[in-house]
Amino acid sequence: KAGVTQTPRYLIKTRGQQVTLSCSPISGHRSVSWYQQTPGQGLQFLFEYFSETQRNKGNFPGRFSGRQFSNSRSEMNVSTLELGDSALYLCASSLVGMNTEAFFGQGTRLTVV
Amino acid sequence: EDQVTQSPEALRLQEGESSSLNCSYTVSGLRGLFWYRQDPGKGPEFLFTLYSAGEEKEKERLKATLTKKESFLHITAPKPEDSATYLCAVQSTSGGSYIPTFGRGTSLIVHP
Repeated sequence: KAGVTQTPRYLIKTRGQQVTLSCSPISGHRSVSWYQQTPGQGLQFLFEYFSETQRNKGNFPGRFSGRQFSNSRSEMNVSTLELGDSALYLCASSLVGMNTEAFFGQGTRLTVV
Repeated sequence: EDQVTQSPEALRLQEGESSSLNCSYTVSGLRGLFWYRQDPGKGPEFLFTLYSAGEEKEKERLKATLTKKESFLHITAPKPEDSATYLCAVQSTSGGSYIPTFGRGTSLIVHP
């Protein structure tokens, strides 16, 4: 079956701009989680969506937001980009939640200049 | 606050040289401990979930074990294709959330 698809794979944005990243989960998976991965902080949880509702949220500022559509596809938005937002953004899908086996996408590499 | 410490940060092995990676954790109550493998430029790949002390799981050359304070990922007779970063994560029972806390990972290189 098809895996988790994240688009775009690479993105370069200017400080102050906003960006939207997309994640298509595995068919039938209802939970989508987003993570930020940097060399300095490692892998950090952003938020989880389940059936179009945000179910869990990590410790990130309000500039980071997301949503999930009825087909379980999810988008993540970052407004007013800062240089420190440069990272690999990963999305993971699972059948019913983060306590089950999660499948990660290849990530979106965001560079803020 | 949940904490996860992985050691060593980096490990170099010769092909066939067995070893273990360590994941020490501090949580108020463990809901689950996860092991992932991550190759450069890719997302993590799920390996195992462990739920209670004494539990063990195996997959090919990998075996994960769990105690009340740490988990080990044993690699038996590794091959160069086992080279990757291995990540450990925990979910606690506190607060009713499922937010995972990840360790910084162990970078494994297996030389032929």
